[in-house]
Amino acid sequence: GESVGLHLPTLSVQEGDNSIINCAYSNSASDYFIWYKQESGKGPQFIIDIRSNMDKRQGQRVTVLLNKTVKHLSLQIAATQPGDSAVYFCAERRGGGSNYKLTFGKGTLLTVNP
Amino acid sequence: GAVVSQHPSWVICKSGTSVKIECRSLDFQATTMFWYRQFPKQSLMLMATSNEGSKATYEQGVEKDKFLINHASLTLSTLTVTSAHPEDSSFYICSARPTGGAGGRSSYEQYFGPGTRLTVT
Repeated sequence: GESVGLHLPTLSVQEGDNSIINCAYSNSASDYFIWYKQESGKGPQFIIDIRSNMDKRQGQRVTVLLNKTVKHLSLQIAATQPGDSAVYFCAERRGGGSNYKLTFGKGTLLTVNP
Repeated sequence: GAVVSQHPSWVICKSGTSVKIECRSLDFQATTMFWYRQFPKQSLMLMATSNEGSKATYEQGVEKDKFLINHASLTLSTLTVTSAHPEDSSFYICSARPTGGAGGRSSYEQYFGPGTRLTVT
């Protein structure tokens, strides 16, 4: 999703529903993508990653989809729980080999209603 | 798992003073650490890349004389905000990248600290 100014895009779901969080990235040369979860007042927590030579990767309750044609990334969370409420960021890695830096997307606030 | 700590977790200082924030990798060595800044309801913005034993690399628009970075050991990097002003109030987050193969951890990963909330009055 896109954010403007100080307003994070938000997604509100009911407990037990599936959530889909979207992210558009900018650099077609990025070769590695990561989804992070950030709870209020804390640092980012790794959720799942995917390399550019893949289009889908599954973890426990989470799936990341990568569409390089349109430079789009999504995070799917199955059976969303109240503990999943947080801000979710995608990040892309630019640069080669072991010398790289991460560029973060604008974030999406997920609220799970019990 | 890999643990990165930051100290202090929050600090309030007066305008014009300097504040030092520490970032430590507790169970692995990190040749490279990164410093980010995050304003409320915004994303993380990379400020600089800190390499042990050498000068930090700053991102465009980040004043190196204002944000001093020292990476004197493989487990510690410090960020000093000099002559702080209210507009420097932010959440500062570090991350550490394990030295290649250290502890079996990939050198392509970054492990984030819990952040430091700086408020300048």
